[in-house]
Amino acid sequence: EIVLTQSPGTLSLSPGERATLSCRASQSISSSYLAWYQQKPGQAPRLLIYAASGRATGIPDRFSGSESGTDFTLTIRRLEPKDFAVYYCQQYGSSPYTFGQGTKLEIK
Amino acid sequence: QVQLVQSGAEVKKPGASVKVSCETSGYTFTTYVIHWVRQAPGQGLEWMGKINPSGGSTTYAQKFQGRVTMTRDTSTSTVYMELRSLRSEDTAVYYCARSFLAVHDAFDIWGQGTMVTVSS
Repeated sequence: EIVLTQSPGTLSLSPGERATLSCRASQSISSSYLAWYQQKPGQAPRLLIYAASGRATGIPDRFSGSESGTDFTLTIRRLEPKDFAVYYCQQYGSSPYTFGQGTKLEIK
Repeated sequence: QVQLVQSGAEVKKPGASVKVSCETSGYTFTTYVIHWVRQAPGQGLEWMGKINPSGGSTTYAQKFQGRVTMTRDTSTSTVYMELRSLRSEDTAVYYCARSFLAVHDAFDIWGQGTMVTVSS
């Protein structure tokens, strides 16, 4: 089973700033099958990024994903109030399709 | 539009079973895999397994093997997840989500979630 470790656990930033969220995999993820999701309280997760760097439909270009080996990064430029939420990474290359424990992005 | 609509909240006693439905619409049912993901209160996301609506084949996470069954009804484009021998630790929101069948794909559409409470 691939274990995903997200850091930091909580990130406190102000609107307009840049957020950098990390996700480290315990082993190589085939074909970069790594996704990022955003979840707000009481809502289902929403797909942001697929295949490490592809933006899902309707996601603004302020959101971007990158990878370096087993390290994956979600970057959010020019934070807006609606961006403050919990973010999860997920690998879907091999079963079981595991999630990271989440990073909470909160308003400073 | 594409929708996954789940059944309503359930309250069950320990040892009982629960069956949650996920009714799909707005796309060809047999071209997307349906996954089940759960989230305990205040916790992260946990993948439980998936079903291929085309042939009905399933893959379950080892943790749930023997306790979970996923089925589908092609006549109503609905997928079901049954979890047996419930315990308090199964209290969670259960989500269905789809991914494209032909390739490895992320979960692009999610249901609204079904709260299952296990309590004596």
